[in-house]
Amino acid sequence: AQSVTQPDIHITVSEGASLELRCNYSYGATPYLFWYVQSPGQGLQLLLKYFSGDTLVQGIKGFEAEFKRSQSSFNLRKPSVHWSDAAEYFCAVGAKGAGSYQLTFGKGTKLSVIP
Amino acid sequence: DAGVIQSPRHEVTEMGQEVTLRCKPISGHNSLFWYRQTMMRGLELLIYFNNNVPIDDSGMPEDRFSAKMPNASFSTLKIQPSEPRDSAVYFCASSLDRGRDFSETQYFGPGTRLLVL
Repeated sequence: AQSVTQPDIHITVSEGASLELRCNYSYGATPYLFWYVQSPGQGLQLLLKYFSGDTLVQGIKGFEAEFKRSQSSFNLRKPSVHWSDAAEYFCAVGAKGAGSYQLTFGKGTKLSVIP
Repeated sequence: DAGVIQSPRHEVTEMGQEVTLRCKPISGHNSLFWYRQTMMRGLELLIYFNNNVPIDDSGMPEDRFSAKMPNASFSTLKIQPSEPRDSAVYFCASSLDRGRDFSETQYFGPGTRLLVL
């Protein structure tokens, strides 16, 4: 069965600083990887996804993630954080089911941004 | 596009009562997912439908939970009887499954925050 680990429960960064959120996955086949963001009281919004090809994936809001098979990682990065980036971030791995695919989520990393 | 619509947004009920959560997926989507989010367990997939048919309900916690999708534009998740440990945020998501591997994106609704007293 697939699993996702997000080692950092809570991260605090200063506005303008760079950001890296860690994600490690476990899956027996080629992984399909996602990052979602959840603002307080809101649903989840897809930031980016990796299916195949270029291991550096660009997403919305200036985020990018790099797939490293050798490290079973899919870390999320942003060069300069804005106060509006404060939210909870979830990494997920997709596994194909009978009719569609299922997402297994990590426990999330809460990001706080200091002005 | 209105996105995935869930109702109610908040529900407070007493233990033993029946609770029904509703979801309207994005028009044209053929896969629908119900998730539960708690502090202890994070986001868990409860059940998902493809073309209105339940595909995998192994995540449904127990017989008190049931889900239906009578047509392509509506789904319900019912808890009967409800218990305090069911308190959580319940999300519905939908996607368009074209049969290709993982090209679909799951779009999430805003969630229903359930509190069982």
